Amino acid sequence: AQSVAQPEDQVNVAEGNPLTVKCTYSVSGNPYLFWYVQYPNRGLQFLLKYITGDNLVKGSYGFEAEFNKSQTSFHLKKPSALVSDSALYFCAVRDMNEYSSASKIIFGSGTRLSIRP
Amino acid sequence: KAGVTQTPRYLIKTRGQQVTLSCSPISGHRSVSWYQQTPGQGLQFLFEYFSETQRNKGNFPGRFSGRQFSNSRSEMNVSTLELGDSALYLCASSLDRVGTDTQYFGPGTRLTVL
Repeated sequence: AQSVAQPEDQVNVAEGNPLTVKCTYSVSGNPYLFWYVQYPNRGLQFLLKYITGDNLVKGSYGFEAEFNKSQTSFHLKKPSALVSDSALYFCAVRDMNEYSSASKIIFGSGTRLSIRP
Repeated sequence: KAGVTQTPRYLIKTRGQQVTLSCSPISGHRSVSWYQQTPGQGLQFLFEYFSETQRNKGNFPGRFSGRQFSNSRSEMNVSTLELGDSALYLCASSLDRVGTDTQYFGPGTRLTVL
């Protein structure tokens, strides 16, 4: 069975510093990985995804994520944090080996990112 | 292109009642998924529809049901509401039922059960 873990409930970073939001996953086959962001009282907004190819994926708002197959991780990163990046971030995985039996996307528990001025 | 829309945005019901939530996907999208979001359980998958067929279902009781119409609009219904059903219900649509497709989410319907 597939699973995804976000080990940190909250990450605090000073504005202008680099940020990392961690995500690890477990699948039986090849993973499709996603990052979403949720602002208060809003739905989830797509940031980026990894399907295949280059391990470094670039997404919206200056975010990027690095796929590491050996460590089964897909950490979200940004070189310089902004106060406006403060939000709830979700990692998600779909196991493509299970696709034929109608796999579903599993979301992590979320990490609250707080950027202080 | 208009995004995913969900109606109503807010809903207050009492225990034992039933409720129907509506989701209109992005034009051209054929897959619609529903999620329940609560502070304690996070985001949990309810079900997925593609071309009017339920293709996948999460681990929720039979009180939760859904359907999709020929225009891809979807509804979900919860019967015999319980206090624990209070949550943000999110709908997401994607172009096709392929694992690589990005899901785009609506703003959600916040259901409060009293």
